[in-house]
Amino acid sequence: EPEVTQTPSHQVTQMGQEVILRCVPISNHLYFYWYRQILGQKVEFLVSFYNNEISEKSEIFDDQFSVERPDGSNFTLKIRSTKLEDSAMYFCASRTPRGARGYTFGSGTRLTVV
Amino acid sequence: KNEVEQSPQNLTAQEGEFITINCSYSVGISALHWLQQHPGGGIVSLFMLSSGKKKHGRLIATINIQEKHSSLHITASHPRDSAVYICAVRFGRPDMRFGAGTRLTVKP
Repeated sequence: EPEVTQTPSHQVTQMGQEVILRCVPISNHLYFYWYRQILGQKVEFLVSFYNNEISEKSEIFDDQFSVERPDGSNFTLKIRSTKLEDSAMYFCASRTPRGARGYTFGSGTRLTVV
Repeated sequence: KNEVEQSPQNLTAQEGEFITINCSYSVGISALHWLQQHPGGGIVSLFMLSSGKKKHGRLIATINIQEKHSSLHITASHPRDSAVYICAVRFGRPDMRFGAGTRLTVKP
């Protein structure tokens, strides 16, 4: 079964550093998403991406964050100047316009800011 | 306010038992999703519903649009079903709003 691949699985970074989280969505999917889950809390929507541009973003997705689909296969989330509160699990997801189950999620990147 | 409430928060069952997890939401939605989060953190999409009922193996999901309520049922539960089950709804914008999850433990 096709998978959404995320790398790295775990990243530790110093506060103030920039990080790039990478995702390879399923090849025929058209919609791409980033979510985050702070430990012990609900999953939260960050941003959706369609047709090479952001289609929706949440209040969390401020100027510190950016997304890019640089080469038609990868989908990246960049966090500039990381803060301690950015420590969370970040999930990438993708979907086709209509799918029986909806979204396919990656296995997540656990980001730890120290 | 667009809220998603799940119950119960925690559920322990014996192997073979029939499981029901509930999800209620506050306003009209365009779609409801049931997700499974494994102990390692990975998320699997189980169902996407906008009406009626769907079945996949031992899992059944139902939604009542008028009552703003959905249920996820697991028949003949097994220890491998132990996970956190999350209800997520799309109210409109932005994307999805997630419930807090139901932690299911199935004992052999």
